[in-house]
Amino acid sequence: DIVMTQSPDSLAVSLGERATITCKSSQSVFYNSNKKNYLAWYQQKPGQPPKLLIHWASTRESGVPDRFSGSGSGTDFTLTVSSLQAEDMAVYYCQQYYSHPYTFGQGTKLEIK
Amino acid sequence: QVQLQESGPGLVKPSQTLSLTCSVSGGSISSGTYYWGWIRQPPGKGLEWIGNMFPSGGTYYNPSLMSRVVISVDTSNNQFSLKLNSVTAADTAVYYCARDVGGGSAYDPFDIWGPGTMVTVSS
Repeated sequence: DIVMTQSPDSLAVSLGERATITCKSSQSVFYNSNKKNYLAWYQQKPGQPPKLLIHWASTRESGVPDRFSGSGSGTDFTLTVSSLQAEDMAVYYCQQYYSHPYTFGQGTKLEIK
Repeated sequence: QVQLQESGPGLVKPSQTLSLTCSVSGGSISSGTYYWGWIRQPPGKGLEWIGNMFPSGGTYYNPSLMSRVVISVDTSNNQFSLKLNSVTAADTAVYYCARDVGGGSAYDPFDIWGPGTMVTVSS
């Protein structure tokens, strides 16, 4: 199984400031034949299912604010929230879909400072 | 738009079988190029993928659960289901059904999720 490790486990950021979450996979999730990284980011608020924010490591889903961005390749990835809003308080998960079983990071809790 | 809704018992006794159904509305489960899956989340913990199913064939399971799990489809009722046997307290979790983004591959993330249903394993 591919192990996904996120850091930090929790993060407190002031409103309007930048938040950065990293995700590292135990093996590359880059598929050479189509030059894509099989990496997704989800946002989960209390009592709700996860919401897909980004896939292919950097492609934002329709309707996701452009303050959310994803970057990275191979084994190292980053989710950045450029200007934190109150509604961004949530737990964020990365997920690899390069191989079965799909695996998720342990989650990063983003809080408002 | 497509919506998913999980249903099933909220309490299951140890050693018995957990059975859940995911009802799909707003679209046909057998149209398109979508895989349908189950994911679970123990209380206060992270997400665990259980398995995926393509309605016309093709099922993938998490090896950690493969010996105990079956995912099947009921196209006539636009539903798919999860059966997990020989449950223990470790199977206590919120269970989500989900649909992938429909890229036509067996390797895609999930963009539509049900609200989840809590299942407790206890005598």
